[in-house]
Amino acid sequence: ILNVEQSPQSLHVQEGDSTNFTCSFPSSNFYALHWYRWETAKSPEALFVMTLNGDEKKKGRISATLNTKEGYSYLYIKGSQPEDSATYLCASSPGSGNTGKLIFGQGTTLQVKP
Amino acid sequence: DAGVIQSPRHEVTEMGQEVTLRCKPISGHDYLFWYRQTMMRGLELLIYFNNNVPIDDSGMPEDRFSAKMPNASFSTLKIQPSEPRDSAVYFCASSLSPGGTQSEQYFGPGTRLTVT
Repeated sequence: ILNVEQSPQSLHVQEGDSTNFTCSFPSSNFYALHWYRWETAKSPEALFVMTLNGDEKKKGRISATLNTKEGYSYLYIKGSQPEDSATYLCASSPGSGNTGKLIFGQGTTLQVKP
Repeated sequence: DAGVIQSPRHEVTEMGQEVTLRCKPISGHDYLFWYRQTMMRGLELLIYFNNNVPIDDSGMPEDRFSAKMPNASFSTLKIQPSEPRDSAVYFCASSLSPGGTQSEQYFGPGTRLTVT
């Protein structure tokens, strides 16, 4: 069974703080790692898809890194804003080829206080 | 594009009734996914299709659940008979590609199902 684990489960920070979360996944049987942002009462929205060891992607104040050898990815938010409050999900796409199947972690819920 | 469309947005039904959830994927997306979201288990993949063909239904909980995709623009998830433990939010998602950097999934707004 493929387990995708995220930590911490929840996080409360002040506006302006920088923060990071961790996603761990089995390093064997790995194809791609996805990050999604899920605001309350909305649907998950894709942030990043990464496949290569050492990959680093950035979108505004949010960035992510990937280590496929040790099976983890970090998501960083620089200078958190209240609008960053959401649940951040990571998902691993297992297998040696293109399957499309994603295994999601339980998410990290971020609350940014003004 | 309007994005992934799901209907109904909310469904309340009594135990034993048949429930049909509907999804229209983004035009041109060859992959369609059905997920169930609960507090206990998070977001779980139920089944996914490629070019209207079911590829992996190992996440379908039991025979009461069935899914079809009669054409590229429409899919249904049916529960018959429904039970209170089926209460959850059901999401449909679609993607252009199964893997690689073009494989991000686009989620619909979800259907909140309550079975009493």
